[in-house]
Amino acid sequence: NAGVMQNPRHLVRRRGQEARLRCSPMKGHSHVYWYRQLPEEGLKFMVYLQKENIIDESGMPKERFSAEFPKEGPSILRIQQVVRGDSAAYFCASSPRPPGFLSQPQHFGDGTRLSIL
Amino acid sequence: AQSVTQLGSHVSVSEGALVLLRCNYSSSVPPYLFWYVQYPNQGLQLLLKYTTGATLVKGINGFEAEFKKSETSFHLTKPSAHMSDAAEYFCAVSEDDKIIFGKGTRLHILP
Repeated sequence: NAGVMQNPRHLVRRRGQEARLRCSPMKGHSHVYWYRQLPEEGLKFMVYLQKENIIDESGMPKERFSAEFPKEGPSILRIQQVVRGDSAAYFCASSPRPPGFLSQPQHFGDGTRLSIL
Repeated sequence: AQSVTQLGSHVSVSEGALVLLRCNYSSSVPPYLFWYVQYPNQGLQLLLKYTTGATLVKGINGFEAEFKKSETSFHLTKPSAHMSDAAEYFCAVSEDDKIIFGKGTRLHILP
């Protein structure tokens, strides 16, 4: 089974551009989570999605950030009008069951390293 | 809100020596606890997890951790360090639909 696939692995954008990060969950997983990792920091939760639904976006910045998980295709984390402070590693995780079954851990992708020039 | 504190952002041990990475958590309910390892430019890999039952949990690569409710701790240990253990280690606790991570401890192995 392929793991959680994220692309691109590295993304460079200039200030003001848009960044699109993609995540394909593991086969059979319909629950997707996005986390952000700043230098010297642990991962911080951003958003939890199921197919076509945003369940919890309590960790998402109020502006410029959005996420979707369409019926077909990967989950997308979109950052509009990027700024230097958006430079970070963005990780996607997936699980086969709802969070109430957290004895089943989330499986993480290798991340997208976003650099803003 | 739950939180995780990892003592020591960097820990150095000699090859063959005991590894001890410390983690304390705060939780108002019985927690699910995890240790993850991150190698450079990679994602997180689950080392071990505590849900219920036995408080000493064995994981991959010879690591284990003990849940101590009275101390709100979940320290990670390995009897004998190997060069390949050099990585960053994250302690984490579950909260609703998310995982709360500590800031991580970078483990250095000295030859």
